[in-house]
Amino acid sequence: EVQLVESGGDLVQPGGSLRLSCAASGFSFDLYEMNWVRQAPGKGLEWLSHIEASGAASYYAGHVRGRFTVSRDNAKNSLYLQMGGLRAEDTAVYYCARGNVIAARPFDSWGQGTLVTVSS
Amino acid sequence: QSALTQPRSVSGSPGQSVTISCTGSSSDVGAYTYVSWYQQHPHKAPNLVIFDVTERPSGVPDRFSGSKSGNTAFLTISGLQADDEADYHCSSYGGSNNPVVLGGGTRLTVL
Repeated sequence: EVQLVESGGDLVQPGGSLRLSCAASGFSFDLYEMNWVRQAPGKGLEWLSHIEASGAASYYAGHVRGRFTVSRDNAKNSLYLQMGGLRAEDTAVYYCARGNVIAARPFDSWGQGTLVTVSS
Repeated sequence: QSALTQPRSVSGSPGQSVTISCTGSSSDVGAYTYVSWYQQHPHKAPNLVIFDVTERPSGVPDRFSGSKSGNTAFLTISGLQADDEADYHCSSYGGSNNPVVLGGGTRLTVL
């Protein structure tokens, strides 16, 4: 069974940084492209970033490019999102999701999410 | 503001059918046959119910169906059940520079 478990969400002050993790199990992690998607309270889903299976290339939504960095450690079956310059509007539940969106494939598995709150 | 437009809410009685629309543009929904729909129960992660406009993942009942006309995609749920009450999000491929275009979500209430 595919399992994705996010962690690292926390209360952080504006301008601060945070690193999210996603632990994968139940599939060959190193063969799959991965993504980060977030959902602000009461809002829709918002795609943030994508990373190739090898980790060689990554892609970002325009509004987070330069502030967020996606990475992965295939030996640890883990995906990461390093976030900096956090703003109140970054407050959201952050999900990791499997899917090769660059090839127009859907998100076929999701984690349960981790909450990031940006507030002073 | 989301790039794909969905109604904020729809409702239906048990056993009835409901259709949720998802309107994009000639750069996303109208250009590709890569529309997906996700079901999200309260405080839960989204779950894929339709991909490639009309395809259902294994385990999704055939009460769920998808279609597209021009720049608008549709999700139809027939034989409504109480457990169908959830938020539904549409997504479309928008090209290599905009691979994921999402809607704002639609709340389905089963009366």
